Amino acid sequence: GEDVEQSLFLSVREGDSSVINCTYTDSSSTYLYWYKQEPGAGLQLLTYIFSNMDMKQDQRLTVLLNKKDKHLSLRIADTQTGDSAIYFCASLGDNFNKFYFGSGTKLNVKP
Amino acid sequence: KAGVTQTPRYLIKTRGQQVTLSCSPISGHRSVSWYQQTPGQGLQFLFEYFSETQRNKGNFPGRFSGRQFSNSRSEMNVSTLELGDSALYLCASSVMPGQFSYEQYFGPGTRLTVT
Repeated sequence: GEDVEQSLFLSVREGDSSVINCTYTDSSSTYLYWYKQEPGAGLQLLTYIFSNMDMKQDQRLTVLLNKKDKHLSLRIADTQTGDSAIYFCASLGDNFNKFYFGSGTKLNVKP
Repeated sequence: KAGVTQTPRYLIKTRGQQVTLSCSPISGHRSVSWYQQTPGQGLQFLFEYFSETQRNKGNFPGRFSGRQFSNSRSEMNVSTLELGDSALYLCASSVMPGQFSYEQYFGPGTRLTVT
């Protein structure tokens, strides 16, 4: 099956940009997703990108996809304390059959 | 539109007991997936149901089972509970599997503690 990896922690100052990285192994992954999880809550879908795109922007969020290197990143501009959460990268593989999640990156935003 | 709802939100059970968790998907969504989330293993896929049929299954023992009803609501059952079953169980719904972007929307989860 697919292997999705993320670094565990990221700490930034309020107002800076945050970049969360993810790598995956399945070159046939069709869609790649970013989810946000706040304490005690489920996962909130933030954005996703189709594998034939290399960039998608949605307000403060920018997703970059390097399909050759199987590398996905999420950039959060002007990071706020409310962005503190765990961010999960996920890929849809196995012919649209299964989601594979990374272990999550805990983003800490310091005031 | 109401989001995905899960009941109960919190549950405490004893080893050896069984438990049933419930998930109501977003109106119009016909696919329901279940995940187990633990600090050590992260998010692990349990199973997915679509049109009352199990479409996919993860690598969990047979003690974990599920079903889906004609109104798309789903239940999962864990029998003979073990301490290691303590986790946050998340349910996610989507319109249907394999369609377009296949967006999954998650519920708040059921926190199961086994003592």
